[in-house]
Amino acid sequence: AQSVTQLGSHVSVSEGALVLLRCNYSSSVPPYLFWYVQYPNQGLQLLLKYTSAATLVKGINGFEAEFKKSETSFHLTKPSAHMSDAAEYFCAVTRNTGGFKTIFGAGTRLFVKA
Amino acid sequence: EAQVTQNPRYLITVTGKKLTVTCSQNMNHEYMSWYRQDPGLGLRQIYYSMNVEATDKGDVPEGYKVSRKEKRNFPLILESPSPNQTSLYFCASRPGQHSYEQYFGPGTRLTVT
Repeated sequence: AQSVTQLGSHVSVSEGALVLLRCNYSSSVPPYLFWYVQYPNQGLQLLLKYTSAATLVKGINGFEAEFKKSETSFHLTKPSAHMSDAAEYFCAVTRNTGGFKTIFGAGTRLFVKA
Repeated sequence: EAQVTQNPRYLITVTGKKLTVTCSQNMNHEYMSWYRQDPGLGLRQIYYSMNVEATDKGDVPEGYKVSRKEKRNFPLILESPSPNQTSLYFCASRPGQHSYEQYFGPGTRLTVT
């Protein structure tokens, strides 16, 4: 069975500091992995995705994530936080054997302090 | 503009009164799905559809029904809503079997009293 664990329901950083949001997954088959961002009162938007190509994936707004199979992790990073990055971030996993079952993590709310 | 739309955006209703939340996409996507979002639980999949007349249960299907009679529409039906179905609901679509990123609607906030 698949599962996704996001460590830390809330993360607070100062503007300009490194952003690190953690995601660990379990999957019996190689997964496709995603990070989505949700701004207040909006739906989810795709930040980036891993689909078995390069293990370091670059997304929008300066975010990137690295797939580490040995650690079953897909942590999201950004070198320098901006106030506009304040949002909720969700890690998700889909099996790459077809179908549409997607499992989301519980989410991490990012706060950015001026 | 390519988008997923949901209606209504906000709904307050009473226990037992049947309701339908509509979802429509204009991207000719094959796959559509419904999720509910609850604090601390992330998004949980209710139902999904692989194409017209092809639907299957997600992780939390109890109390919900869906139908897919047209490719663009995927309504969510609550035949007899209960307070534990108070939640934020999202519809999402995906191009097809080998394309896994999803496109989300703006959400429907449902309150059942």
